[in-house]
Amino acid sequence: DTGVSQDPRHKITKRGQNVTFRCDPISEHNRLYWYRQTLGQGPEFLTYFQNEAQLEKSRLLSDRFSAERPKGSFSTLEIQRTEQGDSAMYLCASSYPERGSSYNEQFFGPGTRLTVL
Amino acid sequence: AQSVSQHNHHVILSEAASLELGCNYSYGGTVNLFWYVQYPGQHLQLLLKYFSGDPLVKGIKGFEAEFIKSKFSFNLRKPSVQWSDTAEYFCAVLTGTASKLTFGTGTRLQVTL
Repeated sequence: DTGVSQDPRHKITKRGQNVTFRCDPISEHNRLYWYRQTLGQGPEFLTYFQNEAQLEKSRLLSDRFSAERPKGSFSTLEIQRTEQGDSAMYLCASSYPERGSSYNEQFFGPGTRLTVL
Repeated sequence: AQSVSQHNHHVILSEAASLELGCNYSYGGTVNLFWYVQYPGQHLQLLLKYFSGDPLVKGIKGFEAEFIKSKFSFNLRKPSVQWSDTAEYFCAVLTGTASKLTFGTGTRLQVTL
């Protein structure tokens, strides 16, 4: 399968613990996005990388959240001191800009479902 | 900030019925609009997109959507639904230089036999 992969698929943790998720984009896709989806809502943008540079962060991304994309390949999203409100599905998407177009179709991974007890 | 509204949260249809899911967006300028679908247990997938040109766009699996600028709408339609269309459908608009997607809250479609 050459699509976007995410690991783990499910994570249950206790409040106050740190968690880290990984996203492997489609090979050669230079853009990588993180979204968060809570029950009954659509995905909400968290942050975006172009290659290894983190170019935009949402106000939703508090100081407890950090994302990295070393070497411009896979990305990690870490949540420190988790809270029950962090329980959600965390989605990763990747894209490659089409020549001459500002548009780039985003391909989504299966997501990591986080449950904070 | 741009926003997207989907007013139908849960729709139940019988097979062969016609489908129309509503989507309204807030931005008054040039918009790029999308419909995504999420089948049970699967990833979000692109159904169709509108960038410019013909306001009636056709997507995969017999779906189509019509962009009506005066109504700020991009409704999804299918003349005859199948049981396999049971899924959650999200309308989205492309925003900003990062090309990030702003999604609606989604519509859960249940098709009964």
